[in-house]
This record gives sequence, structure tokens and C-alpha cells, in this order.
Amino acid sequence: DAKTTQPPSMDCAEGRAANLPCNHSTISGNEYVYWYRQIHSQGPQYIIHGLKNNETNEMASLIITEDRKSSTLILPHATLRDTAVYYCIVSPGGGADGLTFGKGTHLIIQP
Amino acid sequence: EAGVVQSPRYKIIEKKQPVAFWCNPISGHNTLYWYRQNLGQGPELLIRYENEEAVDDSQLPKDRFSAERLKGVDSTLKIQPAELGDSAVYLCASSKGPGNQNEQFFGPGTRLTVL
Repeated sequence: DAKTTQPPSMDCAEGRAANLPCNHSTISGNEYVYWYRQIHSQGPQYIIHGLKNNETNEMASLIITEDRKSSTLILPHATLRDTAVYYCIVSPGGGADGLTFGKGTHLIIQP
Repeated sequence: EAGVVQSPRYKIIEKKQPVAFWCNPISGHNTLYWYRQNLGQGPELLIRYENEEAVDDSQLPKDRFSAERLKGVDSTLKIQPAELGDSAVYLCASSKGPGNQNEQFFGPGTRLTVL
């Protein structure tokens, strides 16, 4: 799996949009970008994934650059419950490979 | 829909003792994963099953770790004997399997402490 780079930590004010960057400059053509998050003492939770088009679901939006070398996860209206470690992962789509997690970004939502 | 169930949630043992973890995946999910998560790190894959077959166990320390998935549903992960360095959270996950979008659903994990 391609390697990803994320900032170790970020702060965001409650109610504001949280924008989490991820660099994946060595991504391959068949690899998707996945985002998971892990709230303290829980297992990771799937958020969203995409190949090259921007994606949106009820939790977040995923913006992938045209060259696919980086992406941004957007939580539009962050709440205190969004405080978690966010992992950006690249993995082939259509398969069932194990995921390669990095250290992620610890997002802290400030009241 | 019930999520991935793991038990126990916590386990404390002395070194050299055996320990086992149990996982019940989401119904209908053919692929099952065991991950280990050390403090401050992301999860690391130990083994992946497609139905009852272990298709990727390259990261499983086979001298002391073993796993099985009888009948392609529930799975157990065993450590014998445990070492101090095995203290970690052991996570089980499941997914629908190949041909789908590889969305993995994780259980709450078992926190193992080896004294």
C-alpha cells in the first residue's frame, strides 16, 4: 500500500469546519483513498472513501486533488464528539486487503 | 444490524500464560481481519480470512500466535505463551469481501495487559 502523510494533531473550534489534509504522493492508479476515525477506547470507524471524484456522505466530504497526490477530509460542522484520531489510508478498491494504518491525525474539537 | 462482537473486552494475564480472544463478525461478512494496536500507533494487520481460509497471515508471529475461523463465521486468536510485548489492543474487523468497496467494520477490541 502507498504511504500517507498526515499532521500529528490539529485543533478546531466547535461548529466550524474541520479540514484534515493527507498526502499520498505515491498512490497507484487502482488505489482508493479511505478515511477512518478512532474515538478513544473504540475500534476504528469507516468515514468515506473515493478514487478521484469528490465524495460526500452524511458524515463528511472528501476532496481529492486532480493529480490524486493529496486529499482533504472535511467535517462541515465539527462537534465535540468528532474528537478522535483520523486515519487516511490508500488501498486497492474492489478487494478486501488489510488496511495499512499510519499514526493518523489527532483532531481535538475545542468548545 | 449488530456490529462486530469481541470478547473479552479486557484481559490481564501474567507472562508465559496462554490467552484467547473471540470475534463474531457481522452476519454475511465473508472477510475477517485481526489487527493489533500498540499504544499510540495505528492498527497493524495480523491475519485476514476469506471464509475459513487464511489468505494473508504474513504478519502473524507464528511461533506463539495462532488463529482459526471454523465454519467461516466466528474466529479465535490465541497467544501461547504471552510475552510482555504482547500488551496491546487486539481488534477484529469484518467486511463483505472481494468485489466490494473494502469498507471494514471494527469491533471494540480486547485490551490485553501482560504482567
